[in-house]
Amino acid sequence: DARVTQTPRDKVTEMGQEVTMRCQPILGHNTVFWYRQTMMQGLELLAYFRNRAPLDDSGMPKDRFSAEMPDATLATLKIQPSEPRDSAVYFCASALGLSTDTQYFGPGTRLTVL
Amino acid sequence: AQKITQTQPGMFVQEKEAVTLDCTYDTSDQSYGLFWYKQPSSGEMIFLIYQGSYDEQNATEGRYSLNFQKARKSANLVISASQLGDSAMYFCAMREPPAANQAGTALIFGKGTTLSVSS
Repeated sequence: DARVTQTPRDKVTEMGQEVTMRCQPILGHNTVFWYRQTMMQGLELLAYFRNRAPLDDSGMPKDRFSAEMPDATLATLKIQPSEPRDSAVYFCASALGLSTDTQYFGPGTRLTVL
Repeated sequence: AQKITQTQPGMFVQEKEAVTLDCTYDTSDQSYGLFWYKQPSSGEMIFLIYQGSYDEQNATEGRYSLNFQKARKSANLVISASQLGDSAMYFCAMREPPAANQAGTALIFGKGTTLSVSS
């Protein structure tokens, strides 16, 4: 049963600390998305990659967020320095390709910044 | 303007009854995709059903069906024979074709509808 995996599932940190979230897409999927979910904003796109190349990161605060795909099996989202307003659930999703519609989501990382 | 509108913050249904969750969308594109996802209290996002804008038949997946009315720009989710395990938040989402300077697009989500199923 192929699934997207994310680590950690929960992260509590203090303001100013660096946070790194990891995602392993479904094997063979070449498109990876990062979404953030908050009560106020709902689900919003942060960034996405195709074949490891960033296609759109306009949803990310550039001064503190960075997203990379070091290889086809790993996507990372880093926040440095973290702020309380970054508290949210961060989802990674993968899809077979841009021409294939369905995105499959990981379980999410619940981030709390104190 | 919102691209995806879910007007029902919460819905209540009894077990074994059918329920319809509303979704309207706004796009000027002819080619687009519509999705429904379920988010139970555990937090994961579970894909339920997909409808392409050119699909002539309404999509069905088990107890889920999508009532697609293109002219009205609505894509309502119908759950037949509700079960207690259907209690969750349900999100409608749309994928539009990429703009000229983009290689692809992500999903645009509605605010969600909380469904509560009682016995």
